[in-house]
Amino acid sequence: QKEVEQNSGPLSVPEGAIASLNCTYSDRGSQSFFWYRQYSGKSPELIMFIYSNGDKEDGRFTAQLNKASQYVSLLIRDSQPSDSATYLCAYYGNNRLAFGKGNQVVVIP
Amino acid sequence: DGGITQSPKYLFRKEGQNVTLSCEQNLNHDAMYWYRQDPGQGLRLIYYSQIVNDFQKGDIAEGYSVSREKKESFPLTVTSAQKNPTAFYLCASSEPGQGYTEAFFGQGTRLTVV
Repeated sequence: QKEVEQNSGPLSVPEGAIASLNCTYSDRGSQSFFWYRQYSGKSPELIMFIYSNGDKEDGRFTAQLNKASQYVSLLIRDSQPSDSATYLCAYYGNNRLAFGKGNQVVVIP
Repeated sequence: DGGITQSPKYLFRKEGQNVTLSCEQNLNHDAMYWYRQDPGQGLRLIYYSQIVNDFQKGDIAEGYSVSREKKESFPLTVTSAQKNPTAFYLCASSEPGQGYTEAFFGQGTRLTVV
């Protein structure tokens, strides 16, 4: 099993709708979880981090962590065309930072 | 300004050549990482270092080598043993510890074999 799994294909959402992304991880010793946004040809930039069970909200973004079920999710409310990017799930554990394959989000005006 | 600098931005390599990608940070971070990204893929860990003079292999270390002689520098050498080196290479640094440890990325080096 891969460390971080992001299985959903490209996600198309209408402008103003909610985009929902999911990620599962295999290492129960994981300490911190991150969502990075990456525009084409650019380096990733952090948009959310979470390390406690439950929800964390920051503006239009909400991260949800469930350590018992080993998943972390990201909700993007009121999606904007500028949200069109690839979203990478990552976790920090065992002194390493591991990433999933990413989910491409396309916001349709 | 604090940050991570990768150079060069674009690099062309002839088959059979070794090339070295530079990564320098002035964030005073202990941990540094090298990732490879292929089109439409996520980041795969090549090597990482938690402290000066120490580093560990990541998931795809074959054909690569690193050194960590200074805290601020973590160069990556792509050797001729790496059969498919064309990719986007990203260097990152973080301050490891308990809980939250955000990684900051450089702008990347795009390596092409010609």
